[in-house]
Amino acid sequence: QSALTQPASVSGSPGQSITISCTGTSSDVGAYNYVSWYQQHPGKAPELVIYEVSNRPSGVSNRFSGSKSGNTASLTISGLQAEDEADYYCTSYTRSNTYVFGSGTGVTVL
Amino acid sequence: EVQLVESGGEIVQPGGSLRLSCAASGFTFSSYWVHWVRQAPGKGLVWVARINMDGTTTNYADSVKGRFTISRDNAKSTLFLQMNSLSVDDTALYYCTRAGSYRHDYWGRGTLVTVSS
Repeated sequence: QSALTQPASVSGSPGQSITISCTGTSSDVGAYNYVSWYQQHPGKAPELVIYEVSNRPSGVSNRFSGSKSGNTASLTISGLQAEDEADYYCTSYTRSNTYVFGSGTGVTVL
Repeated sequence: EVQLVESGGEIVQPGGSLRLSCAASGFTFSSYWVHWVRQAPGKGLVWVARINMDGTTTNYADSVKGRFTISRDNAKSTLFLQMNSLSVDDTALYYCTRAGSYRHDYWGRGTLVTVSS
């Protein structure tokens, strides 16, 4: 159960768009549309921002969007704001009836 | 308001055991899968285990299989994690999460487990 691969860090200026990738295998990301994304600010619990690849929970800004192609899922944050600076994690359900998280990406707003 | 409150974390010696609890409120506990997710200091999130609504189905990460046992008491709206044969690699903040349709839609604040001699 190796962690899904995410870039360690991504940065952007306010107002710009950034995309975080999440690469797995045909046994997890590629197998189901059960990829979700979480935002974690320092010292806080994670919060759900995207579920089932591209759905936003109620209350989450529409600046957050998700997609998937093959074994890679992506989270895009458009109109980057200072409050978006946080760690982001993807996770996927797997064929083994388990879950696997991504390695995490630190987003910096320049 | 959905609330998940973990407890039971403490300092334990390698090889020791610990039982974590997670008290749920604000929703019908017996209608949801619930999970444990952990995060070592300064590291990423790692899925640990899950249990279905009536406690008849459980799944574990390979790293804890055979050492950890997840269980629940629906009458008390409480989730448990029995951890045995603890090693320093189990040192982490342990979160309880509610799972709605393959997503962790609510998280507790976590309870810290430190394995150290």
